[in-house]
Amino acid sequence: AQTVTQSQPEMSVQEAETVTLSCTYDTSESNYYLFWYKQPPSRQMILVIRQEAYKQQNATENRFSVNFQKAAKSFSLKISDSQLGDTAMYFCAFVTGTASKLTFGTGTRLQVTL
Amino acid sequence: DAGITQSPRHKVTETGTPVTLRCHQTENHRYMYWYRQDPGHGLRLIHYSYGVKDTDKGEVSDGYSVSRSKTEDFLLTLESATSSQTSVYFCAISDDRLPQGGEQFFGPGTRLTVL
Repeated sequence: AQTVTQSQPEMSVQEAETVTLSCTYDTSESNYYLFWYKQPPSRQMILVIRQEAYKQQNATENRFSVNFQKAAKSFSLKISDSQLGDTAMYFCAFVTGTASKLTFGTGTRLQVTL
Repeated sequence: DAGITQSPRHKVTETGTPVTLRCHQTENHRYMYWYRQDPGHGLRLIHYSYGVKDTDKGEVSDGYSVSRSKTEDFLLTLESATSSQTSVYFCAISDDRLPQGGEQFFGPGTRLTVL
């Protein structure tokens, strides 16, 4: 079975600081894609960053970056210079293949404070 | 933003009544999905479609059926709603012809309450 584990149900960070959200996954597939989705109070699911498993280079999108450790099946999200607008629920997810079912973690609720 | 709409956005219904949720896309994406979101569970796949009239079950399909008669529409039906189906339902789309493989685009969600 394919699983995603987010061990931090809630986290808090001060504005302008850096925070890292953890994610581990389990799959027997060798080719897959990993994602971090953000869900603000509006409930809209927003893609933050994606990583192809065959790429060794960690993905980066502005203030968001990942630490992808394939052997350890770990995919953490680092948010630098945290902003109040980063307050949201963050979900780690992966999919095996280009058109398949996403498997989600249970989410980490991030609160950015002044 | 990907052109995905869901209707209704909110619905309150009574146990035992049938309910149909609609997902409509304007992106001509091949794949469509229905997820439900519950506290402590993240999003879980109910059903998905890989083409017109081609559908398959997800991990929480009991009590739900789907239909896709056109590329742009994917319907989720609760034949006889139960309180355990109170949830937020998300539709998503994807297409393996896109360069950003594997990415799914989500609709705004439907909050369903079954009394």
